[in-house]
Amino acid sequence: EAEVAQSPRYKITEKSQAVAFWCDPISGHATLYWYRQILGQGPELLVQFQDESVVDDSQLPKDRFSAERLKGVDSTLKIQPAELGDSAMYLCASSTRDHYGYTFGSGTRLTVV
Amino acid sequence: GNSVTQMEGPVTLSEEAFLTINCTYTATGYPSLFWYVQYPGEGLQLLLKATKADDKGSNKGFEATYRKETTSFHLEKGSVQVSDSAVYFCALSGVKTSYDKVIFGPGTSLSVIP
Repeated sequence: EAEVAQSPRYKITEKSQAVAFWCDPISGHATLYWYRQILGQGPELLVQFQDESVVDDSQLPKDRFSAERLKGVDSTLKIQPAELGDSAMYLCASSTRDHYGYTFGSGTRLTVV
Repeated sequence: GNSVTQMEGPVTLSEEAFLTINCTYTATGYPSLFWYVQYPGEGLQLLLKATKADDKGSNKGFEATYRKETTSFHLEKGSVQVSDSAVYFCALSGVKTSYDKVIFGPGTSLSVIP
């Protein structure tokens, strides 16, 4: 069964450091999403790509967060500098253009100390 | 705006008990509705979905019916097992376009004890 791959699975970083997460969506999925899930809450969308274009980044803290999907396949989410409040699970998901096969990866658990 | 409300947890049930987790939504269009499940330390898995009014989604003994008149999508299971212990998220999508982002509720934690 096809999966959304994410790495690393866990990341501990000191505040003010830079950190990056990687996501490889299911082959052929045009739409890729990055969500942030704070402990005890539901996931919230940070950024949505359609192919290589950003279609929604309204909730992305652009002063410190950036995301790219250069060739419309895999994607990287970066935080610089990391803050204590960024500790959360970062989930990647992908789907076909018409929302079928919407699948989440296992996530990256970030702890900022 | 568009949102999802769920009953607060945690919910604790004995094995073989009946489960209901209430979910209501607010949306300006005609969304698709979902239930996702998250086991400890893992990502989200789609449990079931319904794309239009009166549709019933079902999977692994769980079911939910899309009720437009009450804007609800309550999750039910007739007999829960210990392995059903997880966090359950009600969600909606597709308000504007079919590839809209998914909007999640806060989640309901379920613990099933033997």
